[in-house]
Amino acid sequence: QKEVEQDPGPLSVPEGAIVSLNCTYSNSAFQYFMWYRQYSRKGPELLMYTYSSGNKEDGRFTAQVDKSSKYISLFIRDSQPSDSATYLCAMKKNNFNKFYFGSGTKLNVKP
Amino acid sequence: DGGITQSPKYLFRKEGQNVTLSCEQNLNHDAMYWYRQDPGQGLRLIYYSQIVNDFQKGDIAEGYSVSREKKESFPLTVTSAQKNPTAFYLCASSIDSVGEKLFFGSGTQLSVL
Repeated sequence: QKEVEQDPGPLSVPEGAIVSLNCTYSNSAFQYFMWYRQYSRKGPELLMYTYSSGNKEDGRFTAQVDKSSKYISLFIRDSQPSDSATYLCAMKKNNFNKFYFGSGTKLNVKP
Repeated sequence: DGGITQSPKYLFRKEGQNVTLSCEQNLNHDAMYWYRQDPGQGLRLIYYSQIVNDFQKGDIAEGYSVSREKKESFPLTVTSAQKNPTAFYLCASSIDSVGEKLFFGSGTQLSVL
């Protein structure tokens, strides 16, 4: 069983829709949670970073962490065609230097 | 602008050839990483370095080698022992060995001729 599970998609939505992307994990020691956006053949770009549980909002993006359910989410409001990319979740334990990645969800926002 | 520079963007390897991928960062980060990305798979860790002149194997180090002679530079050599080298290679860095955020370069696509 992988430590981080992520639905690969593809997820196709119309422009303006609210998008929900999710990851589940098995290791309760994870404390740091990240979401990356990766355009085709480019390096991942850090979108959101959260420590422990709770919500974090940045513009159209909201990251949620539910440690009791071992579940993290990224919500994108008013989705745009430019949001079309692969979204990777990542997580890390405290004081350890290894990052654990999901396999990525491919999102397509149709004009 | 601070960042991570990977070169070349595209690289082709002939049978039996070693090739080296360059990674340079000007973020003053101590820790640097190399990941391999295959279609439909997550990132897999090849090697990482927490400090100059020190590096450790990741999950898929066989057929790869690295060096860390300078803080700014962490080149990756794909040797002829790596039988399936075609992949997208990503270099990353974090501020130190327990840094919570990982920053990536733009990647190198390696293909076999």
